[in-house]
Amino acid sequence: KAGVTQTPRYLIKTRGQQVTLSCSPISGHRSVSWYQQTPGQGLQFLFEYFSETQRNKGNFPGRFSGRQFSNSRSEMNVSTLELGDSALYLCASSLAASGGVPNEQFFGPGTRLTVL
Amino acid sequence: DAKTTQPTSMDCAEGRAANLPCNHSTISGNEYVYWYRQIHSQGPQYIIHGLKNNETNEMASLIITEDRKSSTLILPHATLRDTAVYYCIVRRLSNSGYALNFGKGTSLLVTP
Repeated sequence: KAGVTQTPRYLIKTRGQQVTLSCSPISGHRSVSWYQQTPGQGLQFLFEYFSETQRNKGNFPGRFSGRQFSNSRSEMNVSTLELGDSALYLCASSLAASGGVPNEQFFGPGTRLTVL
Repeated sequence: DAKTTQPTSMDCAEGRAANLPCNHSTISGNEYVYWYRQIHSQGPQYIIHGLKNNETNEMASLIITEDRKSSTLILPHATLRDTAVYYCIVRRLSNSGYALNFGKGTSLLVTP
């Protein structure tokens, strides 16, 4: 079974631009979560989508947004990029439909975003 | 979710058992203990989780103290490929979805 895939793997943008990152979950997984990883802040939760609805959201500004499609694929968008948005963006998928059962999340390799 | 405390770094000789401690003294009854690891430049990888009882799988063993205030992840025969950052996460089950609070983790270095 194919793992979580993320595209692109590397991206360079300039301040003020916007960017869209894509994530394809493991087949059959309907929950997709996004995380940001930086050297200073570590791994931080951005948001989670399930059945095309945002189910959970971390403490990030509104410039960070996402969506999920009917095939469970997800995209996240960052508008008006800032230097501090340079990070590894990780996507994770999960099989369990409910957050009320123990589950494991499967992570993709990440997209490395550099903002110049 | 309860906060966890882990040592910043640890060393282990190849072939020996690696015992990674985690303190979660404020854990409540419905919170699970999860362990993930992240090998450099890769996405985190799930290792194991548990509630009360000790758990074992093909990767590791998880020992949870009787009062559940601390736990230890055991890699029985560490290899060089086990060099990674190990995250201990306490998570309450919630129907509002998933969110893992990774914290800083323990950087494990396995040496030849």
